[in-house]
Amino acid sequence: GDSVTQMEGPVTLSEEAFLTINCTYTATGYPSLFWYVQYPGEGLQLLLKATKADDKGSNKGFEATYRKETTSFHLEKGSVQVSDSAVYFCALSNFNKFYFGSGTKLNVKP
Amino acid sequence: DADVTQTPRNRITKTGKRIMLECSQTKGHDRMYWYRQDPGLGLRLIYYSFDVKDINKGEISDGYSVSRQAQAKFSLSLESAIPNQTALYFCATSDPGQNDQPQHFGDGTRLSIL
Repeated sequence: GDSVTQMEGPVTLSEEAFLTINCTYTATGYPSLFWYVQYPGEGLQLLLKATKADDKGSNKGFEATYRKETTSFHLEKGSVQVSDSAVYFCALSNFNKFYFGSGTKLNVKP
Repeated sequence: DADVTQTPRNRITKTGKRIMLECSQTKGHDRMYWYRQDPGLGLRLIYYSFDVKDINKGEISDGYSVSRQAQAKFSLSLESAIPNQTALYFCATSDPGQNDQPQHFGDGTRLSIL
């Protein structure tokens, strides 16, 4: 069945460092891919999405490219801030069902 | 006001009690979902509903039941709570259509069962 695998955390970075959080997926057909962010005490918020191969989703300095050949959707940001500290979830939507990765906690230190 | 509202935000109760968690939305979405979140396990789907007359089990529905009272309201019940149901519970909504519609989440209910 469909599934999402993302790198385990926590990931600890210094402010202004480059961020990559890896996400790979298994799916039939043509899924859409999403990244969500969860700040402490809050629900998941949509960060970005891509709906077809080679699409790039971007928001708030974060980017991810839908790579069908490598079944990947890695999240990147060129320069992280302390305020980016949160848990990040990769997800896919396919045939009316959603599948979430287990989440990656990011800690950014000043 | 939040588009997806969950009540209560926190609840502590005892084993064997019946508990209801409520979710209401102002987004006008047909589809609603209940998830639980446990550390290291991500989100697991409990139940989902694609419209008022449609209820479907998710991957971990045992010990839970739901009611879709209206398009805007979807409640989750634990008939006889047990300690391993201690978790963070989220309600979500989405529009129907192609795969490109994201889910929109409430802020969660933190449930502790003693």
